[in-house]
Amino acid sequence: EAGVAQSPRYKIIEKRQSVAFWCNPISGHATLYWYQQILGQGPKLLIQFQNNGVVDDSQLPKDRFSAERLKGVDSTLKIQPAKLEDSAVYLCASSTRPLAGITDTQYFGPGTRLTVL
Amino acid sequence: SQQGEEDPQALSIQEGENATMNCSYKTSINNLQWYRQNSGRGLVHLILIRSNEREKHSGRLRVTLDTSKKSSSLLITASRAADTASYFCATDESGANNLFFGTGTRLTVIP
Repeated sequence: EAGVAQSPRYKIIEKRQSVAFWCNPISGHATLYWYQQILGQGPKLLIQFQNNGVVDDSQLPKDRFSAERLKGVDSTLKIQPAKLEDSAVYLCASSTRPLAGITDTQYFGPGTRLTVL
Repeated sequence: SQQGEEDPQALSIQEGENATMNCSYKTSINNLQWYRQNSGRGLVHLILIRSNEREKHSGRLRVTLDTSKKSSSLLITASRAADTASYFCATDESGANNLFFGTGTRLTVIP
């Protein structure tokens, strides 16, 4: 079974530039998550999709971050414009649809390490 | 909602010793999961324990859950150098539909 794919693996940009990350979840997984992991911390959820609908984006800085999941498969996360504090690893994860509100195992991609100079 | 907190933040042991990590949380949960993260890589799921379970085993891993104390522990027996990684607990809080990750324990196993 192929895992969660992400690209690029690394990205270096200057502040105020734009950047986009791509994620391809495990086939058949209805739920897709984007996390931000700052060095030395645990992952923080940015946005959760159920198929192509947003379930939770309460922690997404919507003035600069946007995400979409067209056709309920691949997803892109965009930052525009980037700030220094956006330097982090951006992780994509997928899982089967939560059953009765219970979250199942999440499968993570390798992440994209973003450095904002 | 609150993230879990792992204790200790860092742990260094000799190969062959056991490693114990603890996780505390603040709300009621459906389940608690443990993940491992090797340096520069994504997270790998280790084990899931449901709120009505008290103990679970998987290979060299043993997880306990005490919902009255809102705490969990992960025991790795007979550690190996390859176990060197960061370990995170993640809580599936009732009604939240997603996971909340703790701050992690950095484990170093010295060969």
